[in-house]
Amino acid sequence: DTGVSQDPRHKITKRGQNVTFRCDPISEHNRLYWYRQTLGQGPEFLTYFQNEAQLEKSRLLSDRFSAERPKGSFSTLEIQRTEQGDSAMYLCASSLAPGWNEQFFGPGTRLTVL
Amino acid sequence: GENVEQHPSTLSVQEGDSAVIKCTYSDSASNYFPWYKQELGKRPQLIIDIRSNVGEKKDQRIAVTLNKTAKHFSLHITETQPEDSAVYFCAGPFLDINDMRFGAGTRLTVKP
Repeated sequence: DTGVSQDPRHKITKRGQNVTFRCDPISEHNRLYWYRQTLGQGPEFLTYFQNEAQLEKSRLLSDRFSAERPKGSFSTLEIQRTEQGDSAMYLCASSLAPGWNEQFFGPGTRLTVL
Repeated sequence: GENVEQHPSTLSVQEGDSAVIKCTYSDSASNYFPWYKQELGKRPQLIIDIRSNVGEKKDQRIAVTLNKTAKHFSLHITETQPEDSAVYFCAGPFLDINDMRFGAGTRLTVKP
């Protein structure tokens, strides 16, 4: 399978714990995006990378959220001190720069914070 | 304010009828306008996109039209089929904030 993959697919955690998610983009894609999606809503932009550089971060993103893409390939999204409001589907997508192009989404990681 | 507004939020049509969903944006520098379809429990997938140098693009039963003066773009689905039932999202790189924004989505139901 050469599509975008995410791990884990589901994560249940207790409030206050830290969680980390991984995204592996399509190999030749240099852009990688993280989104959060709650039921009935569109994907909410969190951040994106071009190669290893984090180019944009949503102004709505709490300091508890951090993302990395150290070698310009896979990326990790960490949420520290999780809160119940963090419960959502976290989607990763990748695309090819330059310019704006089709984003290919991964299957998502569903986070439940108890 | 909102960078993109999508209407309607829900749409129900009879099989064979047409469906139209509209998105309004605010950034006049926006230059790329995609539409994504998300079936229940699945990931969003691009179904059609348009760039600002054209006014319309068609792919079989799906078309997108762009009105740059009025700052809106629309998804048109003709001869709808039950498998068109899904949530549809418009999106765009709204350049004043330099990131992607998705509309709130339209839940389309095609009744057989």
